[in-house]
Amino acid sequence: DVKVTQSSRYLVKRTGEKVFLECVQDMDHENMFWYRQDPGLGLRLIYFSYDVKMKEKGDIPEGYSVSREKKERFSLILESASTNQTSMYLCASSVPQSTGANNSPLHFGNGTRLTVT
Amino acid sequence: TQLLEQSPQFLSIQEGENLTVYCNSSSVFSSLQWYRQEPGEGPVLLVTVVTGGEVKKLKRLTFQFGDARKDSSLHITAAQTGDTGLYLCAGGTSGTYKYIFGTGTRLKVLA
Repeated sequence: DVKVTQSSRYLVKRTGEKVFLECVQDMDHENMFWYRQDPGLGLRLIYFSYDVKMKEKGDIPEGYSVSREKKERFSLILESASTNQTSMYLCASSVPQSTGANNSPLHFGNGTRLTVT
Repeated sequence: TQLLEQSPQFLSIQEGENLTVYCNSSSVFSSLQWYRQEPGEGPVLLVTVVTGGEVKKLKRLTFQFGDARKDSSLHITAAQTGDTGLYLCAGGTSGTYKYIFGTGTRLKVLA
């Protein structure tokens, strides 16, 4: 079974702090994603990566950056945390579809609930 | 901007009842996935549909992809308490790794 592990289940940080959220997957997946989940808004894509050192902005990248130095690890960085970044953060991985169709399942971690005070 | 709207947003029913959850968009998707998320966990894939009009069954769950590939439905027959959770639809588009997620339907099945 694919395992996606997020290093922290809960984090409490102060406004202005630099925050690192770590995600590791053990199935050699090329694609990795960071989403945030807020009530009534579903999951919104922050960044994704389709290869080591490759990244693309998602729908809400402002205030975030990412790092993918190794295939198995994808880090989300909040350069200067703000209260509106209080949320549940979900990491996911998937394999790319060789046909070009996008229907590969996403494998999610259990999430990191971040509170910024 | 592609959007996926789910309805209803909340649903509370008695065990044994039937229910349908809808996922609608004005955009065409190459695939539509349904996930279920339980408290404290990440979403888990239930099914993927890729062909317009496709119907897939997973025990008591029936999934349908609209003919025009803009909408989908999830029907649960004889709901059980174990069906409780947040149901999310997600649309995929050819040529991109991105998925668009719906707003979610929170289902509570009461014993």
